[in-house]
Amino acid sequence: AQKITQTQPGMFVQEKEAVTLDCTYDTSDQSYGLFWYKQPSSGEMIFLIYQGSYDEQNATEGRYSLNFQKARKSANLVISASQLGDSAMYFCAMREPSPDRGSTLGRLYFGRGTQLTVWP
Amino acid sequence: EAQVTQNPRYLITVTGKKLTVTCSQNMNHEYMSWYRQDPGLGLRQIYYSMNVEVTDKGDVPEGYKVSRKEKRNFPLILESPSPNQTSLYFCASSLVGGTGEKLFFGSGTQLSVL
Repeated sequence: AQKITQTQPGMFVQEKEAVTLDCTYDTSDQSYGLFWYKQPSSGEMIFLIYQGSYDEQNATEGRYSLNFQKARKSANLVISASQLGDSAMYFCAMREPSPDRGSTLGRLYFGRGTQLTVWP
Repeated sequence: EAQVTQNPRYLITVTGKKLTVTCSQNMNHEYMSWYRQDPGLGLRQIYYSMNVEVTDKGDVPEGYKVSRKEKRNFPLILESPSPNQTSLYFCASSLVGGTGEKLFFGSGTQLSVL
């Protein structure tokens, strides 16, 4: 079973509108972290937002917010007021702890990505 | 400037010829990791390292080796590359724990194995 599922291969949104990119995850750990990254056509990986499993409030970073629904194992990214420069591939990711090493940061899993296109 | 440096950016090689892709970070991060990116599959973790001399397998470690002899360096070694290892490779590093878990990525290495 996939650890991270992004069910939308492609999404389209008009400039200035809000868009939600879906992400569900699968883990039996209580302590985990959720991330979203953006990859423009130039190829670099850009960190957008992070949510820890014990954080009670949804994470926000400027126009990005993470809609964290723990019981549903869902971590959707919401981009408000889309801009043309938001057109890119978006990846959801999850890190699990490494209890053998006594660390919260163990394996990392990425979804297959959602290609977002913002049109004028 | 805080960064993760990967070299080379592009590499074309032939089946069976050993190669090393270097990765270095200047942020004193404990955690370093390698990923491969293939179309339609997203990024998959190859190996990761918590600290010097501590490495663990990720999702797709077969055919790869790593070493962590110094905190700043984490090279990826392909002892006998095969065409199915043609891919875009990323190195990344992070602090461990708390809000420092943000991964810093290198610029990527496009590898072609003929």
